Amino acid sequence: EDQVTQSPEALRLQEGESSSLNCSYTVSGLRGLFWYRQDPGKGPEFLFTLYSAGEEKEKERLKATLTKKESFLHITAPKPEDSATYLCAVRRNGSRLTFGEGTQLTVNP
Amino acid sequence: GAVVSQHPSWVICKSGTSVKIECRSLDFQATTMFWYRQFPKQSLMLMATSNEGSKATYEQGVEKDKFLINHASLTLSTLTVTSAHPEDSSFYICSGSKPGLAGTVISYEQYFGPGTRLTVT
Repeated sequence: EDQVTQSPEALRLQEGESSSLNCSYTVSGLRGLFWYRQDPGKGPEFLFTLYSAGEEKEKERLKATLTKKESFLHITAPKPEDSATYLCAVRRNGSRLTFGEGTQLTVNP
Repeated sequence: GAVVSQHPSWVICKSGTSVKIECRSLDFQATTMFWYRQFPKQSLMLMATSNEGSKATYEQGVEKDKFLINHASLTLSTLTVTSAHPEDSSFYICSGSKPGLAGTVISYEQYFGPGTRLTVT
């Protein structure tokens, strides 16, 4: 059974304080690891897809990396508008995703 | 591109009534659509997967007679909550998946709608 574990559950940062969110996964035959951002009361917003170990993708202050066991979402010099829940998901076969529980990020001004 | 809409964004209904939620992919054809529900402070729970023109595949523990899913076209899927009860109150989110190509890998990125807040009184 596919398993996705995200840590920490919650993270509070000061504006400008860089940090990383972790997503550990157990899946045979990974066909993609996905990062989403979800604001309260809204649907998840697609951020990145990573397919193979060593791959990295960047978007503004976010950078996602992938190893054979985990993925990191690095946040550089975060701003209050980066506050959200960040969800990680994996895909094995087909298009079905298995989600982690998410990391709730709060960035204080 | 890859925008998904849901309607309504919120609905309040009385116990015993049925509610229909629409999910539309606005700028792409979604070969597969998914329905999730999400409780406060929890992650997304997949309810069912539907492909256009065929019956939906429901996850274990999800009552197919209670949550009716119709995927009539490549841009529209509907979820009907029949005989709703207070315990069905939740945030329902749909997503559409379109196959693409990432290098040599077929990608299936899912794009989510804004969600529908259902409250059953």
